[in-house]
Amino acid sequence: GAVVSQHPSRVICKSGTSVKIECRSLDFQATTMFWYRQFPKKSLMLMATSNEGSKATYEQGVEKDKFLINHASLTLSTLTVTSAHPEDSSFYICSVDQTSGSSNEQFFGPGTRLTVL
Amino acid sequence: AQSVTQLGSHVSVSEGALVLLRCNYSSSVPPYLFWYVQYPNQGLQLLLKYTTGATLVKGINGFEAEFKKSETSFHLTKPSAHMSDAAEYFCAVTYGARQLTFGSGTQLTVLP
Repeated sequence: GAVVSQHPSRVICKSGTSVKIECRSLDFQATTMFWYRQFPKKSLMLMATSNEGSKATYEQGVEKDKFLINHASLTLSTLTVTSAHPEDSSFYICSVDQTSGSSNEQFFGPGTRLTVL
Repeated sequence: AQSVTQLGSHVSVSEGALVLLRCNYSSSVPPYLFWYVQYPNQGLQLLLKYTTGATLVKGINGFEAEFKKSETSFHLTKPSAHMSDAAEYFCAVTYGARQLTFGSGTQLTVLP
């Protein structure tokens, strides 16, 4: 399956600053990637679907102007948390969609721990 | 609409004992079902999946799950727990769309 990396693995920032998280598909050309958010001891919440060369599709309740997604190439999607606040602190995980035929599978990155002070 | 229910947010078993993690789904069409494992501060790793065909699915690390349509269940089992199995386990469902819907997760503790 696809090998997915995320950078950085951890980031601490001050309130009001912007943070960019990168998700890379190292061995697979991904037209679709997903961004999830995971609160402590909670499940994953899909934030948005990132589509290469077009606008991301955001889930209901997710602010697209706050969580900017760019998928400029088949191997890289970025999530920028703009004007971050403490409530944005969370674990952000991306995944690569490798669906083909009847096989529906996503491969997940290792996650990025964001702490906003 | 699809949803996944994982009964028991915490399960504790002794090393060598049977592991049973429960997952029930709600879907209006035949689902694709998945079990993922997450170790602390890491992403998710696929344990096994059911799409079509044989209803008993074998995965990695000795885990298996059985799709039971009549019970709308996809419970995860392992005959003998190992200390390294301690982790968070997530059941997920999709009905062919790419988006996955995750259950709330079950934290498995393995006691020595």
